[in-house]
Amino acid sequence: NAGVTQTPKFQVLKTGQSMTLQCAQDMNHNSMYWYRQDPGMGLRLIYYSASEGTTDKGEVPNGYNVSRLNKREFSLRLESAAPSQTSVYFCASRKEDLTNEKLFFGSGTQLSVL
Amino acid sequence: QKEVEQDPGPLSVPEGAIVSLNCTYSNSAFQYFMWYRQYSRKGPELLMYTYSSGNKEDGRFTAQVDKSSKYISLFIRDSQPSDSATYLCAPGLLQGGSEKLVFGKGTKLTVNP
Repeated sequence: NAGVTQTPKFQVLKTGQSMTLQCAQDMNHNSMYWYRQDPGMGLRLIYYSASEGTTDKGEVPNGYNVSRLNKREFSLRLESAAPSQTSVYFCASRKEDLTNEKLFFGSGTQLSVL
Repeated sequence: QKEVEQDPGPLSVPEGAIVSLNCTYSNSAFQYFMWYRQYSRKGPELLMYTYSSGNKEDGRFTAQVDKSSKYISLFIRDSQPSDSATYLCAPGLLQGGSEKLVFGKGTKLTVNP
C-alpha cells in the first residue's frame, strides 16, 4: 500500500506565486491534516478535514487554503507565497478525527519561497 | 512557557548505548503521550503511545510518563545505527469536541557503529 502520497517532493517559488500541494491517501481514512515543520518550531497544524466535505483551521492557517476534493484527496493552496512559508509540509491522515489514533504521514514537500 | 519543551540535541552515542530522550510539558490536561520517529527526508511515524503515568515497554523501547512532574521520557536499549533519526514527543488531549496534539521540536539522535 502507498499510504499517504504527497506531490511534489520539492518546489521553489518566487514571492507572490501561487501553487497547490497535493495529498492522497489510500487507507480509506476519514480525517486528513496538513502540517508544516520548521527548524526549532516542531510540527504545527495548518488545516484539517475531519471528514469529507468539512475543513477547519489549525494553529497556523493564515496564507493557506485547503480543499477536501473527496475522501482520498486533500490539497493545500498558497495563493501568494511569502518567504515565511518556506518550510517542509506534511500531509497526514487517520481513520477518524477526535480519537487518539496514530497519524500516518506522507514523506513531505520541501518548499522554498525566494 | 512553551507547552512542550524538548532538547533538540543533537545527540551522538556509540552502538549499544542506552539512550534517554526527554520532554517536559506545561499543560496538566494532556491525556495521552506519543513518541514519533522521523528518519531524514521522511514523515514521522508513531513509535510509542501511552495514556497514563508509568512505563510502557515495546522491545528495546520504553516510554515513561510522570504526570506529577510533567515529564516524558523515551529510553532506547542496545541502540542500533538504524535508530538514528529525530524523535518527536507529542502529548495530546481530547476535550469539548476538539483535539489538541502538540509536537515537540524533536531530538536528533545519531548512533555510531
